[in-house]
Parts: sequence; C-alpha cells; structure tokens
Amino acid sequence: EAQVTQNPRYLITVTGKKLTVTCSQNMNHEYMSWYRQDPGLGLRQIYYSMNVEVTDKGDVPEGYKVSRKEKRNFPLILESPSPNQTSLYFCASSLTRTGRGETQYFGPGTRLLVL
Amino acid sequence: GDSVTQMEGPVTLSEEAFLTINCTYTATGYPSLFWYVQYPGEGLQLLLKATKADDKGSNKGFEATYRKETTSFHLEKGSVQVSDSAVYFCALSEDTGFQKLVFGTGTRLLVSP
Repeated sequence: EAQVTQNPRYLITVTGKKLTVTCSQNMNHEYMSWYRQDPGLGLRQIYYSMNVEVTDKGDVPEGYKVSRKEKRNFPLILESPSPNQTSLYFCASSLTRTGRGETQYFGPGTRLLVL
Repeated sequence: GDSVTQMEGPVTLSEEAFLTINCTYTATGYPSLFWYVQYPGEGLQLLLKATKADDKGSNKGFEATYRKETTSFHLEKGSVQVSDSAVYFCALSEDTGFQKLVFGTGTRLLVSP
C-alpha cells in the first residue's frame, strides 16, 4: 500500500531533551516536506527536501533540523525542544518537486507535547 | 506573500443540507488550488484540485471552481452526509514554490443526522 508513515504518533517530552520524528514514504517520491498544524494558523511548512541531500527552510524552521540521506526517509529533529514546539506535525511527499498541481500525500501526524 | 482565507467554523448542518465553504486567495503568480480534508485522527488527504482558471475540481460529490477574477475556490456539496464531518483546508501552490502548500486555517464541518 502506498503510504507515508510517521513515528511516533504521540510523544510527551520535556524541555531540552532531543527527539527525532521519523517519516518514510514507499512511493519513490522526490519531494518531501514537514508541516506543523496549530489552532487558528492552519498548516505551516517547516522544512522541505527536493531530493537526497537537498533540503531547505520553509516558513517556520527555527528550532528544527532535517536530513535526507535516503530518498524514502526524511526525519525531523528537535535538538532542544521548547514548549512552543508543542504541535501536530505532518510529513508529506509528492512525486516531483516542480510539477504543477502535484498532489501531496500526508502521513497520519505526530502529536507532540513539550513540558 | 501568498495567503489563503477560509470562512470561520464550525459549520453545523443537518444531513442532506447544502454545503458551501468559502475560500479566497492572494497569490503573486498563477497558483494551483486544492481542497484537502482531515478526518478525525487522520492526516490530510486530497479532496479535489484545479490548476487553471475556470477548471472545476470534483470528487465524492464535492465541487469547486477556480475563479481567477474573484480569486476564489469555494467548496460545495449538494447533500452532505454524517460521514462528511471533518476539517476542510483550502490551499494553493505556486509554480515556482517547489510544491510548497500555503494553507488556510481550516473549517470544521459537523453534520448531524
């Protein structure tokens, strides 16, 4: 089944404790992206990747890191989480990086609470 | 910068009622327009899309028409069902935006039997 998977689905942590949220897609998609969803703000892009070893900042990159060492995986790293990073996180992928009107496929989400 | 504005929710309807969720956008270029739906506890999934002016996207009884002159992409359904209860997001992507989606704030739809 074609899908985007994320782990963990739920995470409670404390301020300053490094964490990684994994994202994997099995569709051989070129483009991957991370969004965070907050009430009243919709979804905002954190980072994106156009291909292996090619990543760039989105609209809200502060406090996050990413890497793309393999085409299928795009982990999101919070080196020192803070309470304002409490949010619902979504990974997404699409077949190409520049096709007009490309559909993006979303993972099920990771709900993070930073105490 | 680009932006998407959606009507505030929640929208509460009875089953078989007519649905409209308004969406307007501001873009520097000629964007593609999307409606994504988020069912409770799930990720977003594409509902429909349109890539050029006057195109109509449709799926599962939902429709939206790309209106360049009014910069709008309103979502409609003639007869909603309880199973349509979800959060609906209007979004755009620019040709030069490397697939970046700019989302509206989402509109929650609640359909009662």
